[in-house]
Amino acid sequence: NAGVMQNPRHLVRRRGQEARLRCSPMKGHSHVYWYRQLPEEGLKFMVYLQKENIIDESGMPKERFSAEFPKEGPSILRIQQVVRGDSAAYFCASHRPGSSGRVVVISEQFFGPGTRLTVL
Amino acid sequence: GDSVTQMEGPVTLSEEAFLTINCTYTATGYPSLFWYVQYPGEGLQLLLKATKADDKGSNKGFEATYRKETTSFHLEKGSVQVSDSAVYFCALLRGSARQLTFGSGTQLTVLP
Repeated sequence: NAGVMQNPRHLVRRRGQEARLRCSPMKGHSHVYWYRQLPEEGLKFMVYLQKENIIDESGMPKERFSAEFPKEGPSILRIQQVVRGDSAAYFCASHRPGSSGRVVVISEQFFGPGTRLTVL
Repeated sequence: GDSVTQMEGPVTLSEEAFLTINCTYTATGYPSLFWYVQYPGEGLQLLLKATKADDKGSNKGFEATYRKETTSFHLEKGSVQVSDSAVYFCALLRGSARQLTFGSGTQLTVLP
């Protein structure tokens, strides 16, 4: 069972270009998170999606950033007109929410290897 | 809001030394607590977790106990190996929240 896959692993862009990052969740997982890790910092939540629906985008910058998780295909994190401050590692995680009766089960998030974006 | 504070690194130890990485948290309610490990060039891997007070998570010789009274989840290992060199992240997840809240990470280097 393949884990969470992200591509590309490394992406170099010049200022003003667009960056497109892809994430394929684990088989059977319908929910995807995106996190950003700036140099020397921990991961910061950006957005939480399920198929065809954004559940929580409270951590995503209001401008230039967008995310989608279509019915078919990977989740995409898109950064338009990149700036040097966008240079970071972007991690995707997936999980399969579950419940047991009325109890919501906190299931583990599985992380991909990340995409390291460098903006020149 | 939720927050996690980790012991600042980097931490450098000799092989077979005892390891403690401190982690304290602030959150409403009763969060689940996690330690993740990130090896160079890789994504995060779950190391251990605890979902309620006094639970002890353990894996690969690492342990951490959920202490509600001190809001702590310190990571310990009795005898570290060179292969334990990595960045360690403490994190929490509240039942009503959907995303993990991470500490800033602690870089561990173990010398032979």
